Amino acid sequence: AQSVTQLDSQVPVFEEAPVELRCNYSSSVSVYLFWYVQYPNQGLQLLLKYLSGSTLVKGINGFEAEFNKSQTSFHLRKPSVHISDTAEYFCAVSMVRDDKIIFGKGTRLHILP
Amino acid sequence: GAGVSQSPRYKVAKRGQDVALRCDPISGHVSLFWYQQALGQGPEFLTYFQNEAQLDKSGLPSDRFFAERPEGSVSTLKIQRTQQEDSAVYLCASPDFLPGINTGELFFGEGSRLTVL
Repeated sequence: AQSVTQLDSQVPVFEEAPVELRCNYSSSVSVYLFWYVQYPNQGLQLLLKYLSGSTLVKGINGFEAEFNKSQTSFHLRKPSVHISDTAEYFCAVSMVRDDKIIFGKGTRLHILP
Repeated sequence: GAGVSQSPRYKVAKRGQDVALRCDPISGHVSLFWYQQALGQGPEFLTYFQNEAQLDKSGLPSDRFFAERPEGSVSTLKIQRTQQEDSAVYLCASPDFLPGINTGELFFGEGSRLTVL
């Protein structure tokens, strides 16, 4: 079965600084990978996804992630964060052609003024 | 409807009480998922429907949990004899992809927050 590990439960970063949120997955078969975001008092929404093709994927709000098969990672990055990026970010995985999506425990991004 | 609608948004139950949580997915979406999100945790998969068929219920934590979707649209998650450890936000999601063609876009409701005293 597949699983997702988000090593950092919280990441504080100064406004306009770059940020990387780490995600590692475990699976014996090919996977799809996702990042979801949950803003305060809102539901989860899809930020970006990797299904196939280019390993660098771009999402909404200036975020991007890179799929690294050899390191089984899918880290999320943004070159310059804004206060509005304050949210909880969830990495998720599913097996190819399996509809079930498994989520990590989440990383809370805390933007410092 | 325009989005996934869940009710009630908040529910306080006494231990031992039965509760029912409702999910109204996006019209036309074939599949429906239930997740449980405990405080400070990520969403944990509970169960999955394709139309009225419950294809996977491997995540239901005990036989006190029961889900149904009798007409392939609205779904109800029922928890019998609630316990304190059942306190969590219960999320419903419906994807825009057809079964077996997963593109990852799950549309989530705002959740039903259950507190068991």
